[in-house]
Amino acid sequence: QVQLQQWGAGLLKPSETLSLSCAVYGGTLSGSSWNWLRQPPGEGLEWIGEIKHRGNTNFNPSLKSRVSITVDTTQSQFSLKLASVTAADTAVYYCARSPLLLGAFDVWGHGTMVSVSS
Amino acid sequence: DIQLTQSPASLSASVGDRVTITCQASQDSSNFLNWYQQKPGKAPKLLIFDASNLETGVPPRFSGGGSGTDFILTISAMEPEDFATYYCQQYGSLPYTFGQGTKIDIK
Repeated sequence: QVQLQQWGAGLLKPSETLSLSCAVYGGTLSGSSWNWLRQPPGEGLEWIGEIKHRGNTNFNPSLKSRVSITVDTTQSQFSLKLASVTAADTAVYYCARSPLLLGAFDVWGHGTMVSVSS
Repeated sequence: DIQLTQSPASLSASVGDRVTITCQASQDSSNFLNWYQQKPGKAPKLLIFDASNLETGVPPRFSGGGSGTDFILTISAMEPEDFATYYCQQYGSLPYTFGQGTKIDIK
């Protein structure tokens, strides 16, 4: 049973860099893409980007210039960095798995609330 | 980007009611459409993948259908635990996108 455990700073100031990590337990990184999504308070879901175990990435064009997703196969972890945050980046951030043959997000982290405020 | 429009945005229902939610895509998404349930303070939960396939462990009162641009999620008889927000999501084209959600509350 794959589980995702995520962590990172929850309070940032404008212009800082958001940094979150997600550890994969009970499974391997291969055979899936590893994703970050977010949900502003009271709003819907937005896909941020994905990484596969060999390091191939795809990003949402709306965030692409500020986003980096990396993977550490030795630690079974993947990480998100979002640069130059503003109040509009305030959201719950989720990590999630998408098996390559499924195309759906079938395992999710618990979510991390990130607030951006001066 | 493929835009997904869910209808209705919210509805009230009673236990035992049959509920239907629609999701319309702005472009042909074949069957690359998934449905999720989200409860307050929790991560979304996958219910239906590839338009009509029930995820393991999801009760059979949930069903999905459709292809192309028009999709539907049906709950055949509402149970107390089904009051939540439901989202459709497409993965046929990057970026993956979600509908705006349909909130089901108790009548």
